[in-house]
Amino acid sequence: LAKTTQPISMDSYEGQEVNITCSHNNIATNDYITWYQQFPSQGPRFIIQGYKTKVTNEVASLFIPADRKSSTLSLPRVSLSDTAVYYCLVDGTGANNLFFGTGTRLTVIP
Amino acid sequence: DVKVTQSSRYLVKRTGEKVFLECVQDMDHENMFWYRQDPGLGLRLIYFSYDVKMKEKGDIPEGYSVSREKKERFSLILESASTNQTSMYLCASSQNRNPFEAFFGQGTRLTVV
Repeated sequence: LAKTTQPISMDSYEGQEVNITCSHNNIATNDYITWYQQFPSQGPRFIIQGYKTKVTNEVASLFIPADRKSSTLSLPRVSLSDTAVYYCLVDGTGANNLFFGTGTRLTVIP
Repeated sequence: DVKVTQSSRYLVKRTGEKVFLECVQDMDHENMFWYRQDPGLGLRLIYFSYDVKMKEKGDIPEGYSVSREKKERFSLILESASTNQTSMYLCASSQNRNPFEAFFGQGTRLTVV
């Protein structure tokens, strides 16, 4: 199971674009890249998932280079409510073993 | 609306007690998971199950066991609770095909005194 490395914490001002990069050097051919968001006192929730190139939804964009050894979660124009922990996962084995790690704690500053 | 329900938000138990944490999902998902979350350590997988009566150890199974007698229900058992098992426990479920989106319950904060 491919493990991931991401920054422990990041700070950003309101209204800025935030990019969180995740390294997954051992990603396998059938692995997908998934990001989750967790607010205090809540369980994580799915944000976005991709396999290659770019994926965009109403919450975020996910950029994946051709070698797929890293990925970048992009949050446009963050607000205070985006303050949370963001987790990057890679898994292609039917999600039988979801490894979350410690995530990146994003703090949005007024 | 999809839902994963954990039986308690808060529990206080005494050292040595047998503790049951219950989790129910209404999405007919094949996979179910139990995690614990501690400050600075992130989410750590205790056990998961990919089918009824099937279970697999996660990263930290010691001191825990699980039971999955029905597809919708996954129980975490602390045979003899200890103070180092004080933690937030999170249950999740997912289908066994892409997208492998996991849905989480609200968590149970267990304190062992």
